[in-house]
Amino acid sequence: NAGVTQTPKFQVLKTGQSMTLQCAQDMNHEYMSWYRQDPGMGLRLIHYSVGAGITDQGEVPNGYNVSRSTTEDFPLRLLSAAPSQTSVYFCASSYSVTDTQYFGPGTRLTVL
Amino acid sequence: AQSVTQLGSHVSVSEGALVLLRCNYSSSVPPYLFWYVQYPNQGLQLLLKYTSAATLVKGINGFEAEFKKSETSFHLTKPSAHMSDAAEYFCAVRTSQNDMRFGAGTRLTVKP
Repeated sequence: NAGVTQTPKFQVLKTGQSMTLQCAQDMNHEYMSWYRQDPGMGLRLIHYSVGAGITDQGEVPNGYNVSRSTTEDFPLRLLSAAPSQTSVYFCASSYSVTDTQYFGPGTRLTVL
Repeated sequence: AQSVTQLGSHVSVSEGALVLLRCNYSSSVPPYLFWYVQYPNQGLQLLLKYTSAATLVKGINGFEAEFKKSETSFHLTKPSAHMSDAAEYFCAVRTSQNDMRFGAGTRLTVKP
């Protein structure tokens, strides 16, 4: 099993550009989530999904969209990148919301 | 809203000494509590979790944590630090599927 994979590992964007961060898992997990990690703030939940076709907002959803067309994939879209979205983004998955979450290696995003 | 406070952004111990990382939380409902470890340039890995069974929870790599409801604490301990324990540690609290809060993190340094 590859576990949770994320692409790209690094990305530099200009303000206003859009992009999609990819996340995939091969563990047949129903629950998937996206977090951003900023220095001194821990991780904050952006969006989550409890299964294919079902998504909802977390603590900091503004400026981000998600979709869940399959169990395996959970992409995160930045619609119009802003410098405040410079961060490290982590995707995680688990069998259910209270089970152990497995984290991907992260995507380091810089918005100029 | 729930919150998580980790006391001490940086803790330094000598190899073989006791490790104590402090975590206090606030929650209006019985929480699920977690400790995660993050090594440089990697995702988070679960050390242990509390899910309302035993109050003393044993995790991987010799770590354990005790849930104290009266003190709203979930401190992480390890009797004897090893050089390989140097990492950043995050305490987290979940009370619902859309509310997972992480502390700001504690960086552990182990001196030879």
